[in-house]
Amino acid sequence: ELQVVESGGGLIQPGGSLRLSCVDSGFTLSVYDMHWVRQATGKGLEWVSGIGTVGDTYYSSSVRGRFTISRDDAENSMFLQMNSLRAEDTAVYFCARGHPASFGFDIWGQGAMVIVSS
Amino acid sequence: EIVMTQSPATLSVSPGERATLSCRASQTVNNNLAWYQQKSGQAPSLLIYATSTRAAGVPARFSGSGSGTDFTLTISSLQSEDFAVYYCQQYEDWPPYTFGQGTKLEIK
Repeated sequence: ELQVVESGGGLIQPGGSLRLSCVDSGFTLSVYDMHWVRQATGKGLEWVSGIGTVGDTYYSSSVRGRFTISRDDAENSMFLQMNSLRAEDTAVYFCARGHPASFGFDIWGQGAMVIVSS
Repeated sequence: EIVMTQSPATLSVSPGERATLSCRASQTVNNNLAWYQQKSGQAPSLLIYATSTRAAGVPARFSGSGSGTDFTLTISSLQSEDFAVYYCQQYEDWPPYTFGQGTKLEIK
């Protein structure tokens, strides 16, 4: 079964840092664009960041300069380093695979909860 | 940034009936539009991409249509498992990829 699994969420104080990981199973992560999408409780979906197959990176304006996306193809893993966290970053963070025939997202993990609170 | 607006926010439909969900973009996205289904407590799942192409394993009762700025997701005969929140997403002009705010499809 094709899937991705996130880890690394938790409770962190404002201004703190957290690193999320996404590991794939059943496919080779290195040949796909990969993304992070977040969802605050009771709210809609917000694209956060993406990384292309050649390591090109993209960010939403709300996280640019604070978050860094990266990948380790040898480990079939992707990461989101989150610094200077704010209360408004509180959300479930989903790892998602870029669909090979479009720019939609075809495989999603179950999400990692990040709570930024003092 | 392209703003996606979905309507209605909530749609009440009886099982077996037809549901029509709308999505409008603030500027043309050509056919670069996807639809997702999200059931309570679960991750979203891709239903439709390129406006009208069903993703692998998606039942034929789901169909997408539209072009430019106006799009529709139609579910021809609602099954119990179809009651969920649906999101549209544009990938014409990115970053950022943008989603609509969602339509909650509930049982009437």
